[in-house]
Amino acid sequence: SQQGEEDPQALSIQEGENATMNCSYKTSINNLQWYRQNSGRGLVHLILIRSNEREKHSGRLRVTLDTSKKSSSLLITASRAADTASYFCATEDAGGTSYGKLTFGQGTILTVHP
Amino acid sequence: GAGVSQSPRYKVAKRGQDVALRCDPISGHVSLFWYQQALGQGPEFLTYFQNEAQLDKSGLPSDRFFAERPEGSVSTLKIQRTQQEDSAVYLCASSTGLAPGELFFGEGSRLTVL
Repeated sequence: SQQGEEDPQALSIQEGENATMNCSYKTSINNLQWYRQNSGRGLVHLILIRSNEREKHSGRLRVTLDTSKKSSSLLITASRAADTASYFCATEDAGGTSYGKLTFGQGTILTVHP
Repeated sequence: GAGVSQSPRYKVAKRGQDVALRCDPISGHVSLFWYQQALGQGPEFLTYFQNEAQLDKSGLPSDRFFAERPEGSVSTLKIQRTQQEDSAVYLCASSTGLAPGELFFGEGSRLTVL
């Protein structure tokens, strides 16, 4: 079963605007990761944030994590048409074997219009 | 190799046929995962290998699903007596096994059961 919810399910913006996607999860985690998937392709890792981190940046990406609310957000600044894709959050549960098994959300479909 | 390679990319099977899906992970990656992705959904965990050992198969939906990685490199996911509900994209991912770690995904094998 999937870990949690992503919000919104779909987002349509103009090039140059910022895009914000939210993710909620249910269990205690070691880390949370964001992946991107272009239509008909595999997933590509974007960024990882550990449970003891609150914010992380990578290029035009900014991720926040609030473990008290069990939620995360992904901000893409100055979006480009090439950012059009589905975006998934994924969590690695705390405890257990912690070997990298991820639980994915249902994804946000982002469309950036030129 | 340069990335995770999966074959076939597309497979059409008649209900009741057996299928085999192959995954060639990144050379040297210890961990290998299989995920199932239904249309419009996030990937769902099927099974995990560390080298040749299958350490977690909790996500396999039924005993018709079987995975192996006999030499700790290439893996095969076999589905016996396919059913229509098996139609999905099957994604393979590998990682170094170091924690925390990102997963490197292949492009997937799209299975359609008629």
